[in-house]
Amino acid sequence: AQKITQTQPGMFVQEKEAVTLDCTYDTSDPSYGLFWYKQPSSGEMIFLIYQGSYDQQNATEGRYSLNFQKARKSANLVISASQLGDSAMYFCAMKGAGGTSYGKLTFGQGTILTVHP
Amino acid sequence: GAGVSQTPSNKVTEKGKYVELRCDPISGHTALYWYRQSLGQGPEFLIYFQGTGAADDSGLPNDRFFAVRPEGSVSTLKIQRTERGDSAVYLCASSSATSGGASHHEQFFGPGTRLTVL
Repeated sequence: AQKITQTQPGMFVQEKEAVTLDCTYDTSDPSYGLFWYKQPSSGEMIFLIYQGSYDQQNATEGRYSLNFQKARKSANLVISASQLGDSAMYFCAMKGAGGTSYGKLTFGQGTILTVHP
Repeated sequence: GAGVSQTPSNKVTEKGKYVELRCDPISGHTALYWYRQSLGQGPEFLIYFQGTGAADDSGLPNDRFFAVRPEGSVSTLKIQRTERGDSAVYLCASSSATSGGASHHEQFFGPGTRLTVL
């Protein structure tokens, strides 16, 4: 079984500052993928960034970077230079390697990020 | 190109009624997923299709829920004898491949159908 834990129900950040959203995971699969999605108040799920369990380097996509610490089973999202439009719910998710976890995403509870001007 | 579309965007029904929710995936995507998202929670997996067949329906909560994808494209999620606890946003996602583990095949989500059972 896979589990994603996001311990921060809500986070606040000042515009132009950086913020880290925490994510820890648990899995017995040797190969897995970690995803972050953004869900604005409009409801759509927007893919942000991906990290494979065998990737040697931390993933980056523009202002988003993923701080992947495999031994600690953590995959924190770092947003640099926050913008007002970053205010949304953020979900960490995992995709497993096989068995019943094959292909489907397991999501955490989410973190609501509010960016203050 | 067009993204994943879902209809209706909102559905209000009465307890005990039957509902159908439709998902139109991105053209050419072979994998299709249904998730359910309750208020303030993360999406929870219901079922996924590879082509026409349901490869994993382990997330369906009970036998009132059923989904089909007869031609490997559009999918319909069917809920019989709806209950108030079925109220949620039902999300559909599609992917260019069904692959597990560390392969990067992101799932593209539709806008969801908000189901309210009175």
